[in-house]
Amino acid sequence: AQTVTQSQPEMSVQEAETVTLSCTYDTSENNYYLFWYKQPPSRQMILVIRQEAYKQQNATENRFSVNFQKAAKSFSLKISDSQLGDTAMYFCALRETSGSRLTFGEGTQLTVNP
Amino acid sequence: EAGVAQSPRYKIIEKRQSVAFWCNPISGHATLYWYQQILGQGPKLLIQFQNNGVVDDSQLPKDRFSAERLKGVDSTLKIQPAKLEDSAVYLCASSFAGGTGHEQFFGPGTRLTVL
Repeated sequence: AQTVTQSQPEMSVQEAETVTLSCTYDTSENNYYLFWYKQPPSRQMILVIRQEAYKQQNATENRFSVNFQKAAKSFSLKISDSQLGDTAMYFCALRETSGSRLTFGEGTQLTVNP
Repeated sequence: EAGVAQSPRYKIIEKRQSVAFWCNPISGHATLYWYQQILGQGPKLLIQFQNNGVVDDSQLPKDRFSAERLKGVDSTLKIQPAKLEDSAVYLCASSFAGGTGHEQFFGPGTRLTVL
């Protein structure tokens, strides 16, 4: 069974600084997708970034980038130049290519302080 | 482009009562998902539809939960009878197809409180 673990329930960062959120996962498959979703207080879940396991190059989306370590089954999210609007719950998620279920971690509450 | 719509946004009921949630996915999206998000946890998939057929309902408590997607567009999720532990946010999501890499777009959710 696929599992996703986020070991940091809460994190905080000063505006304009960089923060890294951790995620580890377990899967028996070689091909899968990893995602980071953001859930602001309004509760609308938004996709932040996506990584395909067969791609070695780390995905980047503007201020957001990932550090994907396939052998270690680690998938961390780095947010550069943090902004107040980045304050949200962040979820790491895994989807195996053999199935369609998206498995989420427990989430990390990120607070960006002015 | 309109997003995923859900109603109601909030619902308070007493245990053993029934409740229904409605979801309208993004136009043209064939795949629809219902998730349960208990406070402090990540969302858990309850059921996935591909058009009007069920793809995955392995985590749906079928003794009290039911869902349908008639005509392959709107969907309703019902709980009958509700229990205290059903208090959660129920999220609906849709994607263009059920493929692994397709992005899921989420609705605002329905917050259910069971007293």
